[in-house]
Amino acid sequence: GDSVTQMEGPVTLSEEAFLTINCTYTATGYPSLFWYVQYPGEGLQLLLKATKADDKGSNKGFEATYRKETTSFHLEKGSVQVSDSAVYFCALTSGGGADGLTFGKGTHLIIQP
Amino acid sequence: DAGITQSPRHKVTETGTPVTLRCHQTENHRYMYWYRQDPGHGLRLIHYSYGVKDTDKGEVSDGYSVSRSKTEDFLLTLESATSSQTSVYFCAISESPANGYTFGSGTRLTVV
Repeated sequence: GDSVTQMEGPVTLSEEAFLTINCTYTATGYPSLFWYVQYPGEGLQLLLKATKADDKGSNKGFEATYRKETTSFHLEKGSVQVSDSAVYFCALTSGGGADGLTFGKGTHLIIQP
Repeated sequence: DAGITQSPRHKVTETGTPVTLRCHQTENHRYMYWYRQDPGHGLRLIHYSYGVKDTDKGEVSDGYSVSRSKTEDFLLTLESATSSQTSVYFCAISESPANGYTFGSGTRLTVV
């Protein structure tokens, strides 16, 4: 079945540092890939997505590129802020997505001033 | 999130009692989902619906049932709550699943 693997953390960085959170996946066919973010006490918010190979999703300074050859969708940001502290989830859906998203276990990111 | 509401937000219940969680949407989206979130497990799919009266099981459906009698409401029922069902439950909706889902704010359920 489908699966997503990501580092769990916590990942602690200083403000303005470069961020990479790795995500690799196993899926049948051609999945759509997502990054969701969860702030403390809240639900998940869609951060960015990519629906086909070589697509780059971007939002709020975050980027991720759909790499079919390495089955990866790593999240990057050039300069993190304290407000980026949250839990980040990589997820995929295949076969059209109607039967649910498959999530990684989440990466807790802590940004120190 | 705008357009999707979960109730209650918090609930404490005793082992063996029935519990129903409600997800209400105003977006008229076809697809609705129930997930549970637990430390070390991420989010796991419980049940989902692809239309009124059309539901199917997810990865962790044992001990749960669902109903969808109208487009806007998707109910999750724990027939006899157990301590292992202590969790945070999230509802999600989508009109085009390949383009992502919108999540509610969650229900924190504690079974004592």
